[in-house]
Amino acid sequence: DVKVTQSSRYLVKRTGEKVFLECVQDMDHENMFWYRQDPGLGLRLIYFSYDVKMKEKGDIPEGYSVSREKKERFSLILESASTNQTSMYLCASSLLDRKGHEQYFGPGTRLTVT
Amino acid sequence: ELKVEQNPLFLSMQEGKNYTIYCNYSTTSDRLYWYRQDPGKSLESLFVLLSNGAVKQEGRLMASLDTKARLSTLHITAAVHDLSATYFCAVDAGTYKYIFGTGTRLKVLA
Repeated sequence: DVKVTQSSRYLVKRTGEKVFLECVQDMDHENMFWYRQDPGLGLRLIYFSYDVKMKEKGDIPEGYSVSREKKERFSLILESASTNQTSMYLCASSLLDRKGHEQYFGPGTRLTVT
Repeated sequence: ELKVEQNPLFLSMQEGKNYTIYCNYSTTSDRLYWYRQDPGKSLESLFVLLSNGAVKQEGRLMASLDTKARLSTLHITAAVHDLSATYFCAVDAGTYKYIFGTGTRLKVLA
């Protein structure tokens, strides 16, 4: 089974802090994704990566950056956290195979910025 | 721009009843995925639909894909309380990306 893990389930940070969210997958997937999920807005793609050191902006990249130094790890960075970044953050990974690009999700990190 | 619309957004139904959730999308794609999300939890994969006419069934849920109509359906048969969750469809937009539907929050009443 594919396993996607995220470093924290719950996180509370102060405005202006630098925040790191870590995601690790154990199935050698090429593609990794960061989403945020907010009530009424569904899942929105922040960034994705299709290879080590490669990244692409998603629909809402402002205020975020990412890092992928190793294939299994994809980090989301909030350079200066703001209250409007309070959200549920979901990491996912995928591989193009007979199931297309089926994405496997981590358990999520609920971030609160005060 | 690819858009994915689900309806209904909210669905409250009695146990034992049947119902269908619809997922419409605005451009050609032949890959569609259904996910389930329980409150406070992450997304769990339900079905992978990879071609026109694809039909998958698991328990009381059945999903189908009509790529010509740009429509997928998730049919619930004889609903039970354990099916209460939010259901998302996601369309493969190419270039590795999904576009998610807005989600359908299903509540099955005993």
